[in-house]
Amino acid sequence: GQQVMQIPQYQHVQEGEDFTTYCNSSTTLSNIQWYKQRPGGHPVFLIQLVKSGEVKKQKRLTFQFGEAKKNSSLHITATQTTDVGTYFCAGESFNKFYFGSGTKLNVKP
Amino acid sequence: DAGVTQSPTHLIKTRGQQVTLRCSPKSGHDTVSWYQQALGQGPQFIFQYYEEEERQRGNFPDRFSGHQFPNYSSELNVNALLLGDSALYLCASSIVGVRYGYTFGSGTRLTVV
Repeated sequence: GQQVMQIPQYQHVQEGEDFTTYCNSSTTLSNIQWYKQRPGGHPVFLIQLVKSGEVKKQKRLTFQFGEAKKNSSLHITATQTTDVGTYFCAGESFNKFYFGSGTKLNVKP
Repeated sequence: DAGVTQSPTHLIKTRGQQVTLRCSPKSGHDTVSWYQQALGQGPQFIFQYYEEEERQRGNFPDRFSGHQFPNYSSELNVNALLLGDSALYLCASSIVGVRYGYTFGSGTRLTVV
């Protein structure tokens, strides 16, 4: 069964509002990656987190890896219409990657 | 340009048939992983190939098999197709030992009727 749970499944926000998606794993992960998939497209790599408690920022995106390396979050500040898409986390455990089910973000202009 | 090339882009097959999907990894990448993505779901890991051998395998039946060639390209074969095999099949390449994200291809949309 799936080892990485991701919530929420959908998020509708007004442009300018913030957005957060969360991933939780049943097992300790060696690292976690985040991907963005636009409608009709393929997953595009955003970032990888490896260290316990790690926080990385990419412009308006902030990624966190939990202290126990079992959870992670992606936070987008002041969303824009270009942020529309599905955001997936993918956790690595014993050389296998387990993708979350994704959070589909819709941004209303 | 994703750097990873998959063919064909779309395919329609009849239940019980066999299908072969192809993937050319990004230049410089030596590892190929295959994923199945059902509509509205996250990609599910099928297997990974490195040095022409299957290194890891997800929870998929033996009907799913693969191959990697000396030039690092790869094929995914699915036998005895079921309606439930309809999905987007994604190929992702990487460099062994360098865990910095996979480069995904645009996928092959397989429809089984």
